Amino acid sequence: DQQVKQNSPSLSVQEGRISILNCDYTNSMFDYFLWYKKYPAEGPTFLISISSIKDKNEDGRFTVFLNKSAKHLSLHIVPSQPGDSAVYFCAASAGTSGTYKYIFGTGTRLKVLA
Amino acid sequence: EAGVTQFPSHSVIEKGQTVTLRCDPISGHDNLYWYRRVMGKEIKFLLHFVKESKQDESGMPNNRFLAERTGGTYSTLKVQPAELEDSGVYFCASSQDRFAVYNEQFFGPGTRLTVL
Repeated sequence: DQQVKQNSPSLSVQEGRISILNCDYTNSMFDYFLWYKKYPAEGPTFLISISSIKDKNEDGRFTVFLNKSAKHLSLHIVPSQPGDSAVYFCAASAGTSGTYKYIFGTGTRLKVLA
Repeated sequence: EAGVTQFPSHSVIEKGQTVTLRCDPISGHDNLYWYRRVMGKEIKFLLHFVKESKQDESGMPNNRFLAERTGGTYSTLKVQPAELEDSGVYFCASSQDRFAVYNEQFFGPGTRLTVL
């Protein structure tokens, strides 16, 4: 039973345009959400996070939106750059349950075309 | 500051053999985690140490897996005996404050384990 789902395995976007990556979750106990970026043969690198008390968090070109009622979050990258080409993982945790573990989605491979 | 390091980067073993993976967390990080990614699927939690204590081992697949963190520094994950389904990439991660649930976890580059 997958609690965090990334239904798009891949996405291609032109350089300079917006990339939108989506993530859905089922566990209403999740209260902290993160996006990680992963290049081949490297470990995941933290990108941006959001707690459940917020609906938006922005860091430079990266913005994460959280819609708790829909149990949905998205990552917007504007403008997209070729160096953004990587696999993006959505992750969630339920800190108020006393656990620190992350539950990850299966990832979305983003390709930014020059 | 050095990041999370893992050794070896790759390991190829025969079914039934034993393999030990090592993780060195970021210095000063109390929390250490093991995760595994099998065949391009999601990254799955295995266990969590706070210093030398196992805080959560709910993700450990079975008793063929043994994790230790003696002295609260580096950690080892031993698989004995290895089975074909144990193949995958094993990631280690660390985070700083034992009381802070919302600190992001920093991941190592992973160990790719192939069991033949």
